[in-house]
Amino acid sequence: RKEVEQDPGPFNVPEGATVAFNCTYSNSASQSFFWYRQDCRKEPKLLMSVYSSGNEDGRFTAQLNRASQYISLLIRDSKLSDSATYLCAVNMPGGTSYGKLTFGQGTILTVHP
Amino acid sequence: DGGITQSPKYLFRKEGQNVTLSCEQNLNHDAMYWYRQDPGQGLRLIYYSQIVNDFQKGDIAEGYSVSREKKESFPLTVTSAQKNPTAFYLCASSMGGPVTEAFFGQGTRLTVV
Repeated sequence: RKEVEQDPGPFNVPEGATVAFNCTYSNSASQSFFWYRQDCRKEPKLLMSVYSSGNEDGRFTAQLNRASQYISLLIRDSKLSDSATYLCAVNMPGGTSYGKLTFGQGTILTVHP
Repeated sequence: DGGITQSPKYLFRKEGQNVTLSCEQNLNHDAMYWYRQDPGQGLRLIYYSQIVNDFQKGDIAEGYSVSREKKESFPLTVTSAQKNPTAFYLCASSMGGPVTEAFFGQGTRLTVV
């Protein structure tokens, strides 16, 4: 089983649609979770951190389910500019260090007119 | 401006040559990371460092080497032992600790010719 796993998609949705992505992780001791956005041939950029209580930033909502070991990202009222690859990242504890930041394989989203 | 600088942006290497990718940050971050991304794939961790003069192997360390002699710098050497080095290489840094997000440089595209 991969440490962090995402549905690669692609997701093709019309403008205005609501779309949700999930990301599962294997280590129950993981403490921090993030969603990144990556545009074609660019570096990933932090979209939002994921907190235990869930958090919202405009049209974006992130949630954490520790019992089932997954995080989710909900995008409401999709815009053409939301088209990108969305990567989840999980801090995987290990050894004497604070651990490593492990990424999923990314989910491709295309929003069409 | 604070940030992470990777150089060069594009790099061409002949088979059998070692090359070194530069990564410098002026964010005063303790932790630094190197990832590899292949087309249509997620990020795979090569090496990471939580503190100066210490680093750990990631998931795909074979054929790569790093050093962390200064807090600001975390160069990656792609050795001739890496059989398929053509990829997009991304350097990231974070404050360190278990609950901090990482920020990325613009990446280096390495092509073996």
